[in-house]
Amino acid sequence: SQKIEQNSEALNIQEGKTATLTCNYTNYSPAYLQWYRQDPGRGPVFLLLIRENEKEKRKERLKVTFDTTLKQSLFHITASQPADSATYLCALDPSAGKSTFGDGTTLTVKP
Amino acid sequence: DAGVIQSPRHEVTEMGQEVTLRCKPISGHDYLFWYRQTMMRGLELLIYFNNNVPIDDSGMPEDRFSAKMPNASFSTLKIQPSEPRDSAVYFCASSLGRGLGETQYFGPGTRLTVL
Repeated sequence: SQKIEQNSEALNIQEGKTATLTCNYTNYSPAYLQWYRQDPGRGPVFLLLIRENEKEKRKERLKVTFDTTLKQSLFHITASQPADSATYLCALDPSAGKSTFGDGTTLTVKP
Repeated sequence: DAGVIQSPRHEVTEMGQEVTLRCKPISGHDYLFWYRQTMMRGLELLIYFNNNVPIDDSGMPEDRFSAKMPNASFSTLKIQPSEPRDSAVYFCASSLGRGLGETQYFGPGTRLTVL
């Protein structure tokens, strides 16, 4: 069956360090993958999209990689700040299907 | 644009009562999605519409759940009768098209508690 796994429910890092979040999937052949941010009491907010033929995508302090061989995406936040503390969700949208979200990783950046 | 609007933001009801959640998508968006989020199951897609027509309702848990979209600017999700296990946050989202990579814009959610 199709499955998405995001690394450990919680990730704690020190301000200024790079946070790395992982999204692994099985039994999928996604055409693209998205990352969302969700703050408590709010709906998810889109951050980045990466397509299957792209290895890497950047936006300001954010970087996403997509390895279709390993069936994995890595989401990096460089020079992390306490304001980056939130839950981050990955979402797969197979070309013939509908979006499926991972359970999310809660990131806490400590000052 | 005000974004996706959902009402009510919080709903507390007793088991067996009917619950109606409302959503106004972003103007011009032709896809509307209803999701449910719980700690145990994460974010689950319940149903989505294209141009007011339900396309895939395979995520609707059972017949107690129904959704309608009478026009491009309004949708409802109804639970009748409600049960304690329906307690969750329900999100509505909309997007412009369903092509590869279309971003979904989520509303603030409705937190439903069924006692």
